[in-house]
Amino acid sequence: GQQLNQSPQSMFIQEGEDVSMNCTSSSIFNTWLWYKQDPGEGPVLLIALYKAGELTSNGRLTAQFGITRKDSFLNISASIPSDVGIYFCAGPSHGSSNTGKLIFGQGTTLQVKP
Amino acid sequence: KAGVTQTPRYLIKTRGQQVTLSCSPISGHRSVSWYQQTPGQGLQFLFEYFSETQRNKGNFPGRFSGRQFSNSRSEMNVSTLELGDSALYLCASSAGGGASGYTFGSGTRLTVV
Repeated sequence: GQQLNQSPQSMFIQEGEDVSMNCTSSSIFNTWLWYKQDPGEGPVLLIALYKAGELTSNGRLTAQFGITRKDSFLNISASIPSDVGIYFCAGPSHGSSNTGKLIFGQGTTLQVKP
Repeated sequence: KAGVTQTPRYLIKTRGQQVTLSCSPISGHRSVSWYQQTPGQGLQFLFEYFSETQRNKGNFPGRFSGRQFSNSRSEMNVSTLELGDSALYLCASSAGGGASGYTFGSGTRLTVV
């Protein structure tokens, strides 16, 4: 079945550093979503990407939809302690592009040292 | 505007019992999806309801079921609980308009002992 492979699994960085994480798949996705989950909470949508090659920013976050439509990356610039959490990539399951049936990556756990 | 409300937040049940979890979507949202989150399997789609009809279903056994009421509130039920059903159960609601329109609740943490 469809799978999203996220890397790295975890990161421990110094406050102020930039962070980069990515997500790959063996199949094409028409939408890429990036979420952040804080402890004890549900995922919150950070960025949505809809077109191959698209580069979208949300504050210090930048995400790109890969040209092959099989990958995406998320960058966080000048990290701060509140960036701590788990970051997930996700995309709609094939044949369910306008529904809530999403495939999620395994997540990247980010820890920031002040 | 109130978010997606899931009740209860925490639940402890014994193997073999059944459990019902509730999700109240954002006002005006007609679509509700349910996910199971575990450390080993990550976030996995359970099912989705739209206007009281199941629109999509994931690969879970028949012990997992759900329904949606006319006010869009949704419930999911797990019968004959197993230890492996211990997880965070999340629901998400949307007014429509694509995969990016779903807002997640804070989840119900189910522990099966």
